[in-house]
Order: sequence, then C-alpha cells, then structure tokens
Amino acid sequence: GAVVSQHPSWVICKSGTSVKIECRSLDFQATTMFWYRQFPKQSLMLMATSNEGSKATYEQGVEKDKFLINHASLTLSTLTVTSAHPEDSSFYICSAPQGDTQYFGPGTRLTVL
Amino acid sequence: SQQGEEDPQALSIQEGENATMNCSYKTSINNLQWYRQNSGRGLVHLILIRSNEREKHSGRLRVTLDTSKKSSSLLITASRAADTASYFCAATGGYQKVTFGTGTKLQVIP
Repeated sequence: GAVVSQHPSWVICKSGTSVKIECRSLDFQATTMFWYRQFPKQSLMLMATSNEGSKATYEQGVEKDKFLINHASLTLSTLTVTSAHPEDSSFYICSAPQGDTQYFGPGTRLTVL
Repeated sequence: SQQGEEDPQALSIQEGENATMNCSYKTSINNLQWYRQNSGRGLVHLILIRSNEREKHSGRLRVTLDTSKKSSSLLITASRAADTASYFCAATGGYQKVTFGTGTKLQVIP
C-alpha cells in the first residue's frame, strides 16, 4: 500500500516555542491531507483538512492561528504548533487519501514542558 | 460531536475465541474502514467496506455494514495474542473527511 511518513516521530519542547511537524506522501501525490490529534486513551479527532495550494479548512474549535498548516506541494503538508503549551501535548497524526483508502502517518508525539 | 460510537469500549477474550466490535456513525458515508493501533503507535489499515456493500472478508476479519442503521461490525475469528490492540472504525463522508469511532480496546489472553 501507499506510504505516508511523518517527521519527527517525537519531539519535546519548552512552553512558548513553536514546533513544526511534516507529513509526506512517499509514493503518491495528495492534493488533500488531514491532520488529527489523539489524546491518551482517546480516539483520533480531526483537526483540519490541508489543501494543496490553498488555505486549510479547520474543524470547529481548532484555532487556526495556533495550528498553522501549509500544503506547499503535492507530497508535503506541515503542521506548526505555535506558542506551544503543556495542554498541546498529544499524538499528532496525518493522513492522505489514495483512492478510497486513507493512509496514515506513524504519528508524532509532542511533549511540551 | 460527529464522532462515531464503538462498543464495547474494552474487550478481553481468550486466545482462539472470536472478537466482535460494533461501530455506529452519524452521517452519510462513502465507505467505512477499520484500523488497528498498538499502544502509542500509528494506525494500520485493516479493511474497507463501501457503502453499497453489506459484508466483506479478509483473512480472519469479517466486516458488515448496515447503512440503514448507520452501523458496522468487525469480527476477528480465532483470535491471537498478537491481535491485542485498539480498533477504530473510520467513516469516510464527503470531501474524503474521516470521522473516527471512539475505539475498542481488545485484549487477547494467551
């Protein structure tokens, strides 16, 4: 199947700093990618839809100024958590569709101290 | 919330037994997929069933879909200890947006 990678796989940062997470589709192009957040022992919640060449679409309750999304090419979307706080600590996962199937990245664990 | 519901939340069975998980969703869908997730890891795609399909098999997996009830079930037959994981249903609606269920945590005891 198709492969989606994420980088970094884990990151620890200080409160107030910004963190960038990359999501790449390795062997296919994706005009749309999705970003999810998963808190411990909970399900995945869709944060936003990343659209190549245009603005991202954010789900209700997700601050677009805090979670900056850039989809600069057909194989790369980035999520930047700005001015991170401890409550932003979570597992962030991206996905990209190919045909009917969503392919998920391995996730990025963010810990904000 | 548009999140789907899954039951049971947790399931503990003996190796060799069958495990059944149920999922309900809220919106119209194009397809429904099931994923597994080992603790703290990424998602692994298990099986996809389209909205015009009622049942699908893949190895030890059997998935059913009832669009009139907006529900799906995942059956794992002859379970193994390695099947221990969390299982999520994911409903794909318009614009390829995916809404996940709350998940079922399966423990298979050797």
